[in-house]
Amino acid sequence: AQRVTQPEKLLSVFKGAPVELKCNYSYSGSPELFWYVQYSRQRLQLLLRHISRESIKGFTADLNKGETSFHLKKPFAQEEDSAMYYCALKDSGNTPLVFGKGTRLSVIA
Amino acid sequence: GAVVSQHPSRVICKSGTSVKIECRSLDFQATTMFWYRQFPKKSLMLMATSNEGSKATYEQGVEKDKFLINHASLTLSTLTVTSAHPEDSSFYICSAIRRGIGYTFGSGTRLTVV
Repeated sequence: AQRVTQPEKLLSVFKGAPVELKCNYSYSGSPELFWYVQYSRQRLQLLLRHISRESIKGFTADLNKGETSFHLKKPFAQEEDSAMYYCALKDSGNTPLVFGKGTRLSVIA
Repeated sequence: GAVVSQHPSRVICKSGTSVKIECRSLDFQATTMFWYRQFPKKSLMLMATSNEGSKATYEQGVEKDKFLINHASLTLSTLTVTSAHPEDSSFYICSAIRRGIGYTFGSGTRLTVV
């Protein structure tokens, strides 16, 4: 069964400190992995996806198939990064996303 | 592009009544839409997959007679919560897939059953 685990419900860091939001998954095949962000009172937005290997707003995530992880990282946190972050995976085709429980990132000035 | 409009954003209804939530793809055609339910401080739980012109596929544990899904056109899927009870109070979110862009989400509907 597909499962996404985000072990931290809340992560608080100081502005300028590095950030790492953990995500582990269980899936028998080769899933697509995503990070979504939800700012206060806004809808879910795609932050990045592993197949594009891009950096958005300074965030990066590397898929580690050996560790079945897709941790989200940013070297220097900004106050505007405070939000809920969801890790998600999907199978191929028009299949639904499976979400982790989310991690609330709070960046303290 | 790839905007999904969800309406209403908030609704309060009396126990026993029905509520309809609409999800529209504004600038693209969506053959597949998904309905999620989000509990406080918890993840998004997939309720069902809505396919245009056919019956929705419900996840295990989701009552299809209670949560009626209709996807009659390529731009509109509706979720009707029938005979609502306080335990149905939740945040409901729809999502659609746009080819080349991926998944896009509605802004959600906060349902409160009193």
